[in-house]
Amino acid sequence: SQTIHQWPATLVQPVGSPLSLECTVEGTSNPNLYWYRQAAGRGLQLLFYSVGIGQISSEVPQNLSASRPQDRQFILSSKKLLLSDSGFYLCACQQGGGYTFGSGTRLTVV
Amino acid sequence: KNEVEQSPQNLTAQEGEFITINCSYSVGISALHWLQQHPGGGIVSLFMLSSGKKKHGRLIATINIQEKHSSLHITASHPRDSAVYICAVRLRTGNQFYFGTGTSLTVIP
Repeated sequence: SQTIHQWPATLVQPVGSPLSLECTVEGTSNPNLYWYRQAAGRGLQLLFYSVGIGQISSEVPQNLSASRPQDRQFILSSKKLLLSDSGFYLCACQQGGGYTFGSGTRLTVV
Repeated sequence: KNEVEQSPQNLTAQEGEFITINCSYSVGISALHWLQQHPGGGIVSLFMLSSGKKKHGRLIATINIQEKHSSLHITASHPRDSAVYICAVRLRTGNQFYFGTGTSLTVIP
């Protein structure tokens, strides 16, 4: 079965600093990969999804970008963090009917 | 209006009580997931449903496709059940999920 490794678990970054969150998948190939964000008091919102290497779709305009340099690697980035980027970021993987979630990263921008 | 509505938002129960969390959705779905998020933030998938009912230990999940409604039941609740429970629906078309805002459950010893 597929497993997701997501790190770091928590992160405190100053405003204006860069961001890189990494998600790697094991136990499957050519999965669909997703980045979600959960802002305080709100449900998880889809940020990006990818159906293959180098293929990224963005659901909402924002200060973030995503990349998929390898089949089982999905990276969420920002060049300059904003206070509003604070939240809980979750990576997810879908292969066939199965859907697996990472453990998440709690980002606080100060 | 959110595509997925959960109730209640917050729930406090005494240990041993029977708990029900409800989820209603307004879109056509291919599956519904119940997720558990612990205070540390990690999310665990509890159930995936497309029809009927599933049971795992003290947890029971049901779905009524016609009424666009699902319930998560916890029998003989325990303090370790304290967590946020999230309902997520997978759209019939495409691979996107819509998530509810979650139900924060606290079980008191």
